[in-house]
Amino acid sequence: EVQLLESGGGLVQPGGSLRLSCAASGFTFSTYAMTWVRQAPGKGLEWVSTINDSGDSTYYADFLKGRFTVSRDNSKNTLYLQMNSLRAEDTAVYYCAKGSTTVTTAFDIWGQGTMVTVSS
Amino acid sequence: SYVLTQPPSVSVAPGKTARITCGGNNIGTKGGVHWYLQKPGQAPVVVIYYDNDRPSGIPERFSGSNSGNTATLTISRVEAGDEADYYCQVWDSSSDHWVFGGGTKLTVL
Repeated sequence: EVQLLESGGGLVQPGGSLRLSCAASGFTFSTYAMTWVRQAPGKGLEWVSTINDSGDSTYYADFLKGRFTVSRDNSKNTLYLQMNSLRAEDTAVYYCAKGSTTVTTAFDIWGQGTMVTVSS
Repeated sequence: SYVLTQPPSVSVAPGKTARITCGGNNIGTKGGVHWYLQKPGQAPVVVIYYDNDRPSGIPERFSGSNSGNTATLTISRVEAGDEADYYCQVWDSSSDHWVFGGGTKLTVL
């Protein structure tokens, strides 16, 4: 079964850091682009970042202003999102999603999400 | 930055046809619009990709079109179980960014 399982969310103070992980199974992880999408409480979907299959191309939403870094370890079938200088407005459910062999293909598999709460 | 505009809500009676629009500048030339549905407390699910392709398992009642400045998701013979939030999405190659529409809540009366 194709599956994505996020972890690493939680409560963090403003200015703090978190690293999210997304463990993939059931498909050849190293051949697919992967993406992080977030959803603030009661709000819509917001794209955060995409990484290509090999990890040598990364794409970020403008609002991040260099605070987040996406990476992947194809030997561990795991996607990461390092989040620094967190703000209250970063509070959201963070989903990882599987793309295809190109970064421009729809996301056919999503994880169940991990909640990040930024609050003092 | 590229913007996709969706109506906040659409209401339809069971058995009727629902149409959810997604407006964007020359969206018909964006290389394909993808549509997702999301039910409360669940992750999104793709229902249409590349304007009008359906993933396996998605009913034929779901279809899409894209031309000019508007893409449309059409749901025929609407059922109560179709009630969800629907999002359109495109890849903006001018900025190398994914863009989502604001979402449309479909209510089945």
